[in-house]
Amino acid sequence: SQQGEEDPQALSIQEGENATMNCSYKTSINNLQWYRQNSGRGLVHLILIRSNEREKHSGRLRVTLDTSKKSSSLLITASRAADTASYFCATDRGSTLGRLYFGRGTQLTVWP
Amino acid sequence: DTAVSQTPKYLVTQMGNDKSIKCEQNLGHDTMYWYKQDSKKFLKIMFSYNNKELIINETVPNRFSPKSPDKAHLNLHINSLELGDSAVYFCASSLRDRDYGYTFGSGTRLTVV
Repeated sequence: SQQGEEDPQALSIQEGENATMNCSYKTSINNLQWYRQNSGRGLVHLILIRSNEREKHSGRLRVTLDTSKKSSSLLITASRAADTASYFCATDRGSTLGRLYFGRGTQLTVWP
Repeated sequence: DTAVSQTPKYLVTQMGNDKSIKCEQNLGHDTMYWYKQDSKKFLKIMFSYNNKELIINETVPNRFSPKSPDKAHLNLHINSLELGDSAVYFCASSLRDRDYGYTFGSGTRLTVV
């Protein structure tokens, strides 16, 4: 069954602005991962945050995790037109190897 | 030097036909997966293999049969294709260690007419 739910479904911003996407999930998790998918391409792994971590950084990406609220956020700072893509969160419940549950994604459009 | 490669990229076929999609990874990963992405971009796992052994077999029609000749390859064979099988199929791989992201192939867009 579906696990992650991203919000908003679509986000449109100007270059240089920050983009924040949220993800909510329903059950306990082992870790939560964020992926990017450019149109017509495969998913690219961006960042993984473990259930015992609260915040993680990677370049212009900042991910937070609040297990009490069962939610995560992905912040992209100083966005660029090349950041235009769909962003998915995926949760690993830890119960069965490889059972990653994906949300439906947030479509981010960054205008030059 | 593509990490996870799947072929073909596009597949258009008639209802009732049988088709196969191939996947290969050169990352040395021990676990491979097939995911299906529908028209609304929802991704759902279909199968998972670890060292050639089936680990996950979601509720998928038995017309879909995965085959893993070795841990670097995971192929997907589909019998008696139906219109509802139209989707993008992604192969992915990872290491058994859970704290590791997946590497996805570029997808196979299957259209059943």
